[in-house]
Amino acid sequence: AQKITQTQPGMFVQEKEAVTLDCTYDTSDQSYGLFWYKQPSSGEMIFLIYQGSYDEQNATEGRYSLNFQKARKSANLVISASQLGDSAMYFCAMRDLSGNTPLVFGKGTRLSVIA
Amino acid sequence: DTGVSQDPRHKITKRGQNVTFRCDPISEHNRLYWYRQTLGQGPEFLTYFQNEAQLEKSRLLSDRFSAERPKGSFSTLEIQRTEQGDSAMYLCASSPPLGPSGGAYNEQFFGPGTRLTVL
Repeated sequence: AQKITQTQPGMFVQEKEAVTLDCTYDTSDQSYGLFWYKQPSSGEMIFLIYQGSYDEQNATEGRYSLNFQKARKSANLVISASQLGDSAMYFCAMRDLSGNTPLVFGKGTRLSVIA
Repeated sequence: DTGVSQDPRHKITKRGQNVTFRCDPISEHNRLYWYRQTLGQGPEFLTYFQNEAQLEKSRLLSDRFSAERPKGSFSTLEIQRTEQGDSAMYLCASSPPLGPSGGAYNEQFFGPGTRLTVL
């Protein structure tokens, strides 16, 4: 079974600063994918970034980067130059590499960006 | 708008009533997922369709829950004899067919959700 742990219920960051949201995972699969989603107050889940377990380089998408440490089973999200619009819930998720399984989500971290 | 749509966005019902939600996936997405999200939690998987076939159901999906995707396009999720514990956000997601090599990176596109409140 797969499990995602997000230990930070809430985080605050000053506008224009960088912030790291923690995610650790547990799986017996050798191949898997890791995802981060953003959920604003409107409720829709917005895909941010993906990291495959066999990818040697950390994924980056604009201001988002994923700090992937496979041996430690961690996949932390780094948001650089925080903006007020980044205030939202952030969820880490995973699935196996077959693509046939649903996503398994963590409990999320609420990020608040302060002006 | 060509994203995933869900209807209704909000539903308030009394305990014991039946409710039905609809999800319209992105055109040509053959995979459709239902998740449930309670307050303070991440989404939890309920069930999954590939075309019209329901391939997997979570243990969370009790006998009061039923989902269909009759023509492989839109899907409905029905909850019979609702209970207060059913109050949650119900999220639908769709994804395109897997490529030849399959792959975990088969992005799921989420709809805006249906928020159910059972009084």
